[in-house]
Amino acid sequence: ETGVTQTPRHLVMGMTNKKSLKCEQHLGHNAMYWYKQSAKKPLELMFVYNFKEQTENNSVPSRFSPECPNSSHLFLHLHTLQPEDSALYLCASSPYGLAAYNEQFFGPGTRLTVL
Amino acid sequence: AQTVTQSQPEMSVQEAETVTLSCTYDTSESNYYLFWYKQPPSRQMILVIRQEAYKQQNATENRFSVNFQKAAKSFSLKISDSQLGDTAMYFCAFMKQSTSGTYKYIFGTGTRLKVLA
Repeated sequence: ETGVTQTPRHLVMGMTNKKSLKCEQHLGHNAMYWYKQSAKKPLELMFVYNFKEQTENNSVPSRFSPECPNSSHLFLHLHTLQPEDSALYLCASSPYGLAAYNEQFFGPGTRLTVL
Repeated sequence: AQTVTQSQPEMSVQEAETVTLSCTYDTSESNYYLFWYKQPPSRQMILVIRQEAYKQQNATENRFSVNFQKAAKSFSLKISDSQLGDTAMYFCAFMKQSTSGTYKYIFGTGTRLKVLA
């Protein structure tokens, strides 16, 4: 499989559940990103990893916990979420680390609904 | 604060016509990169076109071109000969460097474009 893949594509969870989102990139890129996409709002960058090291945490609540075991995989662990956390969560990767001209390659997203 | 504004939440255009999507941004930096991304319905977001601020010449990619006005901080996207497959949400983005050295996108709220047959 090529590109950036995300699983699951859809997730419904209760506020007390614990779940994880998975992202995998097959492009040999060095940097990976988590974004939150809510209706009528700009994409919000959540986390950035460069060569497996977290370089950015954009003031994300601790109920979101990222993990990057290697440059190809990125996880977002979720626990005790709130209904306002319902959104499309996008993963992206970029080839040249944190260079300014980098194109980002996006996955299809996980549509999360918190009940 | 650096922001990106897309003032047109929704637009429509007839197939084969030309449409322009507007984007303005605010920054105090002198060199930076600007991007347009396209997110088709239920499909992955992909890069449409990229512009380097120090380049005077407007970027073009086939039917897609930009009108980059640096002084006005404007970065509009023109789609010529619109096709049904151009129906998508279009996001304007500005690349900035944070204090940690990370480069990250600042996105606009998007313009939903519908191409009509």
